[in-house]
Amino acid sequence: GESVGLHLPTLSVQEGDNSIINCAYSNSASDYFIWYKQESGKGPQFIVDIRSNMDKRQGQRVTVLLNKTVKHLSLQIAATQPGDSAVYFCAEPPPGGKLTFGQGTILTVHP
Amino acid sequence: DTAVSQTPKYLVTQMGNDKSIKCEQNLGHDTMYWYKQDSKKFLKIMFSYNNKELIINETVPNRFSPKSPDKAHLNLHINSLELGDSAVYFCASSQDLGSEQFFGPGTRLTVL
Repeated sequence: GESVGLHLPTLSVQEGDNSIINCAYSNSASDYFIWYKQESGKGPQFIVDIRSNMDKRQGQRVTVLLNKTVKHLSLQIAATQPGDSAVYFCAEPPPGGKLTFGQGTILTVHP
Repeated sequence: DTAVSQTPKYLVTQMGNDKSIKCEQNLGHDTMYWYKQDSKKFLKIMFSYNNKELIINETVPNRFSPKSPDKAHLNLHINSLELGDSAVYFCASSQDLGSEQFFGPGTRLTVL
């Protein structure tokens, strides 16, 4: 399943499927991005970050892709599990500390 | 040990009242923040303190007044509460400006 951020803020997938959550940014000078996961009733939690000198960053089940040409990044979760159900935010932390969050995408994983 | 803690977790109050939310971090961070999350899950920064000094003050009604008695604490006092203040308020901290931010569990404020 795939989301398109502002136009589709919810994403429903079956357990075991791969999920793709998208985020568009507007500031071409942005050089650092963070993905946060917010589970129900909890605060946002850091998942992964990527700097603008990279196109891809891979974790255990998580891959971040950054396309600076179109100012777009995506979070790919492989073999999505029910525990992945949460709201996912992309964020730009500029040096001044004023973290700007995207709208967020609600991911629901069905067993 | 909880890194960033907030009290209370839930707060239900009448319009016009004054209330406070407290935040404490035990991470030794220099910077603390308050965010407001509305019913649509949109997170927006309100204030940021660095070493007890106010450094970010977004367009927030002056009914909201943050206070940082020391680097480990950042409290939020709200006067004359309004219905539109109902939201979840998150405290966060970071080592310094621009570093990864660690969030508290949130305080759900409901104004009746």
